[in-house]
Amino acid sequence: DIQMTQSPSTLSPSVGDRVTITCRASQSIGSWLAWYQQKPGKAPKLLIYKASSLQSGVPSRFSGSGSGTEFTLTISSLQPDDYATYYCQQYNSYSLTFGQGTKVEIQ
Amino acid sequence: EVQLLESGGGLVQPGGSLRLSCAASGFTFSSYAMNWVRQAPGKGLGLEWVSCISDGGASTYYADSVKGRFTISRDISKNTLYLQMNSLRADDTAIYYCAKLLGSNSMHDAFDIWGQGTMVTVSS
Repeated sequence: DIQMTQSPSTLSPSVGDRVTITCRASQSIGSWLAWYQQKPGKAPKLLIYKASSLQSGVPSRFSGSGSGTEFTLTISSLQPDDYATYYCQQYNSYSLTFGQGTKVEIQ
Repeated sequence: EVQLLESGGGLVQPGGSLRLSCAASGFTFSSYAMNWVRQAPGKGLGLEWVSCISDGGASTYYADSVKGRFTISRDISKNTLYLQMNSLRADDTAIYYCAKLLGSNSMHDAFDIWGQGTMVTVSS
């Protein structure tokens, strides 16, 4: 199975900060990567698909980049609603796998 | 409105069985592959993909952790996805989500719509 490793595990930025989360795959997955946001007690929400495509309705402050084995999710200016846990997911091959998550918490 | 609604969770003893359902509405169910994803309760526990079924139902995939114990299926006439879970273990305890693929007629895509989840607890 392809292993997905996110870093950091936790972030404590302030509102307005630029936030970058990294996801590394144990082997090349092309651009078959998605990013999700999850808030406590809620289902995950799709933010980015195919590494850099913004899902409909998602604010433009979210962006994704990368290909192969290294990917990043960037929030250009953190808003109060963005405090959540973020997961990457590869869908290049089955078994599908998620990263362990990055919690963006209030400082 | 595109919607997924899971049901069937509950408390079951180790070794027991349970069948989860996911009722789909607001889209052409027969055109999309569907998945089950679970999340164990507790701090810091992430998402684990469980199983996928193709749009027509002919192809299925399973995580190694559930292979041979769980069976995914779909009834297109009822717009419903199922997960039959047998030989349940304590480590199957989790919230189970059904999720729809973003693109139609594909097995390789992100999950754009998720249900609210149904809790499965395996305990004596």
